[in-house]
Amino acid sequence: GENVEQHPSTLSVQEGDSAVIKCTYSDSASNYFPWYKQELGKRPQLIIDIRSNVGEKKDQRIAVTLNKTAKHFSLHITETQPEDSAVYFCAHGSGNTGKLIFGQGTTLQVKP
Amino acid sequence: NAGVTQTPKFRILKIGQSMTLQCAQDMNHNYMYWYRQDPGMGLKLIYYSVGAGITDKGEVPNGYNVSRSTTEDFPLRLELAAPSQTSVYFCASNRELQETQYFGPGTRLLVL
Repeated sequence: GENVEQHPSTLSVQEGDSAVIKCTYSDSASNYFPWYKQELGKRPQLIIDIRSNVGEKKDQRIAVTLNKTAKHFSLHITETQPEDSAVYFCAHGSGNTGKLIFGQGTTLQVKP
Repeated sequence: NAGVTQTPKFRILKIGQSMTLQCAQDMNHNYMYWYRQDPGMGLKLIYYSVGAGITDKGEVPNGYNVSRSTTEDFPLRLELAAPSQTSVYFCASNRELQETQYFGPGTRLLVL
C-alpha cells in the first residue's frame, strides 16, 4: 500500500537539544520524500525534501536521511529553538502524478 | 504573485447543502491538489489535476467533485454536505513533479 507511519506522535525537547522524527513507508516505487512544518492555524510549508538517489541532505540545522532498502526516512533538527515548535509531517510520493501520502504528524515542543 | 488563494476562509453548512470551495494560483503551475485535514491528523488527498482538463481521484474522493477548465483554477464541489465533511480544506500546487507543493491558506468547513 501507500501508507506511511510517523513516530513519535509528540516530542518534547529542551532548547538546544536535537529532535529526530522517523517515517516508514511501504511503497517501493516511492522516490520523493518531503517534510512539511505546520504552525498552529497555518498552512503546511516545505522545510526540506530528498529524492531517492540521495541518502542524506542537510540545510543548516535541518537534515533528512533516507534508507531505501529499509523503507524509512528521518528528519533531524539540531540546536532546537522555541520557534521550531510546530507539527511536522513527512510525506512520500512516486510516479508521474505528484501525489503525496502524508504521515499523521509529530507535534514538537521545544521548551525554553 | 499572490501564490495559492482560497475562498472562503470559513463556512458553516447545513446537512444536505452544497457549496464550492474556490482555489486559484497565479504561478502557472501545472499540478494542483485538494487535501482535507481533520483535527490532529495528517492531510488526505481528495482530488488532483496534472493539467487543465485532467483530474483524478485521490485517497478520499467520495462526496466531492472537481473540475479544471483553466490552468489557474481548481474548484472543489461538495454535494449533499455531511457532518463527516467537517474539516480544513487545503489546496496546493506545484510546477513540476517532485517540486515543492505550495499550499493555500485553507478553508475551514463546519457541517451541522
